[in-house]
Amino acid sequence: GQNIDQPTEMTATEGAIVQINCTYQTSGFNGLFWYQQHAGEAPTFLSYNVLDGLEEKGRFSSFLSRSKGYSYLLLKELQMKDSASYLCAVMDSNYQLIWGAGTKLIIKP
Amino acid sequence: GAGVSQSPRYKVAKRGQDVALRCDPISGHVSLFWYQQALGQGPEFLTYFQNEAQLDKSGLPSDRFFAERPEGSVSTLKIQRTQQEDSAVYLCASSLTGDRASTDTQYFGPGTRLTVL
Repeated sequence: GQNIDQPTEMTATEGAIVQINCTYQTSGFNGLFWYQQHAGEAPTFLSYNVLDGLEEKGRFSSFLSRSKGYSYLLLKELQMKDSASYLCAVMDSNYQLIWGAGTKLIIKP
Repeated sequence: GAGVSQSPRYKVAKRGQDVALRCDPISGHVSLFWYQQALGQGPEFLTYFQNEAQLDKSGLPSDRFFAERPEGSVSTLKIQRTQQEDSAVYLCASSLTGDRASTDTQYFGPGTRLTVL
């Protein structure tokens, strides 16, 4: 079966760095997406990785290792507004998005 | 507006009632997706349209669920004879190209929270 695993909840301090991990087992791979979802709102696109390595975009970076079936989202200089759920999604061989359950990130002052 | 819009944002239905959920995708976007998201879970795929053609409905949980996009723009997800297990947030997303084999970013609407009593 297809499986996306990520921690249910993480807590971090304002101004700090946090890394949210995602491991996956899917039938085929056409890229991995990270989305941010604030409570009661739409998921919004953060990043897309299809090649191994680190993609940096401002305070957010995303890393992919296809051989390990592993990705992480790195958030630097955390702000209170970063409190949200972070969803990992893999596009499988049928170009269908398979979603993880999301990681709820709590930022404390 | 520039984004995907959905209406209503909240819907309460009595068990057995029919409901219709509307999605207005981003203008010009060819692909349209419907997802179901249970509380604390990631979205689960329901169905996919390329313009007015429904190319994949493999995720629809039962024949009580029906979706259409008659003019290739606005889409409606209809649920007949609602059951309590249908309670969830229904998300609509659109992407620019119509190529199913595409990694285009999907842009999501705010969702409709359906509660079936």
